[in-house]
Amino acid sequence: AQSVSQHNHHVILSEAASLELGCNYSYGGTVNLFWYVQYPGQHLQLLLKYFSGDPLVKGIKGFEAEFIKSKFSFNLRKPSVQWSDTAEYFCAVNAGSARQLTFGSGTQLTVLP
Amino acid sequence: KAGVTQTPRYLIKTRGQQVTLSCSPISGHRSVSWYQQTPGQGLQFLFEYFSETQRNKGNFPGRFSGRQFSNSRSEMNVSTLELGDSALYLCASSLEDGGRSDEQYFGPGTRLTVT
Repeated sequence: AQSVSQHNHHVILSEAASLELGCNYSYGGTVNLFWYVQYPGQHLQLLLKYFSGDPLVKGIKGFEAEFIKSKFSFNLRKPSVQWSDTAEYFCAVNAGSARQLTFGSGTQLTVLP
Repeated sequence: KAGVTQTPRYLIKTRGQQVTLSCSPISGHRSVSWYQQTPGQGLQFLFEYFSETQRNKGNFPGRFSGRQFSNSRSEMNVSTLELGDSALYLCASSLEDGGRSDEQYFGPGTRLTVT
């Protein structure tokens, strides 16, 4: 069974700082990778996804992520965060023929104005 | 297009009761998945339905069940409620066009409180 690890549980940054959230998964076969965001009081929204092709994927709101197969990682990055990026971020994997998503435990990002 | 809708949004039940939650997927989406979100366990997969058939099931007891109708709407049922069933129940739909896995779009969830 696959698993997903997000090592940063709570990250606090000032506006304009750069962001990198770690995500590692365990599964030896083909994977689809996702980052979802949950703003306070709102539902989960897809930030970006990787199915195949270019390992550097760009998502909404200036976010990007890089798939490094050799490291089983899919880290999320943003060069300059804004106060409105305050939210919880979830990495998820969908592996093999399974449709269900396996989520990491989430990273709460707080951006100070 | 309207997003995934879930009803009711909030629910309070007593231990031992049963509850039914409803989910309407995005128009044209054929797959519906259910997840449970709690502070302690995070987001956990319950089950997935496609063409009225349960295609995948997570590691939850048999008290948790679901079904999908011909219009792709789905319901999940929890019988004999326990305090630990208090959670946010999320429904997600995906297109499933061509048989490959697609991104899932989530609804706002139903907040269930068991007292």
